[in-house]
Amino acid sequence: NAGVTQTPKFQVLKTGQSMTLQCAQDMNHEYMSWYRQDPGMGLRLIHYSVGAGITDQGEVPNGYNVSRSTTEDFPLRLLSAAPSQTSVYFCASSFLGTSGTTYEQYFGPGTRLTVT
Amino acid sequence: KNQVEQSPQSLIILEGKNCTLQCNYTVSPFSNLRWYKQDTGRGPVSLTIMTFSENTKSNGRYTATLDADTKQSSLHITASQLSDSASYICVVSRGLIYNNNDMRFGAGTRLTVKP
Repeated sequence: NAGVTQTPKFQVLKTGQSMTLQCAQDMNHEYMSWYRQDPGMGLRLIHYSVGAGITDQGEVPNGYNVSRSTTEDFPLRLLSAAPSQTSVYFCASSFLGTSGTTYEQYFGPGTRLTVT
Repeated sequence: KNQVEQSPQSLIILEGKNCTLQCNYTVSPFSNLRWYKQDTGRGPVSLTIMTFSENTKSNGRYTATLDADTKQSSLHITASQLSDSASYICVVSRGLIYNNNDMRFGAGTRLTVKP
């Protein structure tokens, strides 16, 4: 299994440009999430999905869109990039562990985005 | 104010030494607490997960403890190795049913192990 893959690894955008960060997982996990990580702060949830066709907002959803047409893919779209969106973005997928009460979460390698 | 506070922010130790990282939280109700290791340029990788009924859990040289009464957790690393150099992130989940929105991440402790 490749696990959780993200592309691109690095990206530089100009203010106002749009782009899509790609995320894919081959573990058949139901749950997928997008986080951003900024210096001195914990990871913050942007959007998440509990299955194909179902998405919901996290803590910091403004300026981002998501869709989940398949179990495997969960792209994150920046509609009009702003310097405040300069960050490292992580995609994660999760499944219910054997205990039945906790979820195991796997993270992708991240995308470092700079908006100038 | 962040609901998960980690200390110290950064730590430098010599190879072979032990160290302890701290995590204090105010998240309520409590469901579980996780410790992740994040190497530079990589995504976080799970080390341990503890529910409220567990007060210690080990993963090789990593031992996590949990005091749900005082809302404190620690991660103890024994006989440190150069490969332990990374950020260690404490994550607390609330509620009994998993909900992505109910996880709170600490800012992490940056550990550097020097030869």
